[in-house]
Amino acid sequence: TQLLEQSPQFLSIQEGENLTVYCNSSSVFSSLQWYRQEPGEGPVLLVTVVTGGEVKKLKRLTFQFGDARKDSSLHITAAQPGDTGLYLCAAPPGAGSYQLTFGKGTKLSVIP
Amino acid sequence: NAGVTQTPKFRILKIGQSMTLQCTQDMNHNYMYWYRQDPGMGLKLIYYSVGAGITDKGEVPNGYNVSRSTTEDFPLRLELAAPSQTSVYFCASSFGTSGDITGELFFGEGSRLTVL
Repeated sequence: TQLLEQSPQFLSIQEGENLTVYCNSSSVFSSLQWYRQEPGEGPVLLVTVVTGGEVKKLKRLTFQFGDARKDSSLHITAAQPGDTGLYLCAAPPGAGSYQLTFGKGTKLSVIP
Repeated sequence: NAGVTQTPKFRILKIGQSMTLQCTQDMNHNYMYWYRQDPGMGLKLIYYSVGAGITDKGEVPNGYNVSRSTTEDFPLRLELAAPSQTSVYFCASSFGTSGDITGELFFGEGSRLTVL
């Protein structure tokens, strides 16, 4: 079973600061997804990355897939209180798998 | 659109009781999943289904059962509840996969279960 390691586990920053969170594994992924979960709600998909080296932008969020497809990062520019939540990375554990394995998440708090 | 609907949102059970968590989706998705989420542990897959009549175990299936008689519904049954089953349970659905790319998972709002 592949392990998705996310870091940091917790992050508390001031509004306007930049931050990066990471998702790493020793396995190669066919694809990787990032979800955000707000308190009391289910996770919501932010992005899916597929190609090694791929960079995707979603407003102030920038997602990068490592060249070797073993790792990914999420960078937030000028964080806002609305960015507060649990950020989860997820990937299928094997080729053709119907499942997703999730990392433990990074809990982000953005203080006004 | 309702998306994925879970009931109940909260439930307290005594040790040894049984209950069913209901999940229904109105997106005509073939794939459905049950996850549990414990603090600091991410999401663990309990069971999943790739279509009506087909179910399979995930990472943590012990103590649970599922059925999939229709495309829309995927109930999760807890038999003989134990304190270790105290958790937040999420049902999710997806259109499916395209090759190795898993489709977007749409989650319900969760069901918080406490076993005392």
